[in-house]
Amino acid sequence: EIVLTQSPDTLSLSPGERATLSCRASQTISSHYLAWYQHKPGQAPRLLIYGTSNRAAGVPDRFSGSGSGTDFGLTISSLEPEDFAVYYCQQYVNSPPITFGQGTRLEIK
Amino acid sequence: EVQLVQSGTEVRKPGESLKISCKGFGYSFGSYWIDWVRQMPGKGLEWIGIIYPGDSDTRYSPSAQGQVTISADTSSNTAYLQWNSLKASDTAMYYCARHSLNGDYSSPQDYWGQGTLVTVSS
Repeated sequence: EIVLTQSPDTLSLSPGERATLSCRASQTISSHYLAWYQHKPGQAPRLLIYGTSNRAAGVPDRFSGSGSGTDFGLTISSLEPEDFAVYYCQQYVNSPPITFGQGTRLEIK
Repeated sequence: EVQLVQSGTEVRKPGESLKISCKGFGYSFGSYWIDWVRQMPGKGLEWIGIIYPGDSDTRYSPSAQGQVTISADTSSNTAYLQWNSLKASDTAMYYCARHSLNGDYSSPQDYWGQGTLVTVSS
């Protein structure tokens, strides 16, 4: 099973700032099989990025994904109030089992 | 419009059985893999298992194997997650989610149900 470790666990930033979230895999993942989801309380998770760097439909261009091998990242260029949420990376290369990272909570400073 | 609509909140006692549902709308239900994902209170997302409704090919996470049963009915476009004997540790929000590519589980989950809250308490 591929283990994904996200850092940091919590990120405290202000609107307008840049957010950088990391996801490290326990073994090499093809870039085709890494996704990021946004999850807000009381809502279903939302697909943001798939295939490491492809934005899902309707996702603003302030969200971008990058990485390769075992190290991947999600960047939000300028935080909007609605961006404060929990973010999960996910691998689906060995699907199944699919695995998620433990999540990064992005909170308002 | 693609939608996954889940059944409502459930409260059960330990040892009871339960079956929750996830109904698909707006797409060919039998042709896309469906996952079940759990979120325990205060915790992250955890993958439970997956089913291909077209032929009921089903896989489970090691921790879920033998604890739950995933099934699907293409005549009603509905996937199910069931327990024969609930435990307090099954208390969680459960989500269903569709994989984005027709017939391919190596794809991300593009549509999610709204979640079903299951509470198990004596």
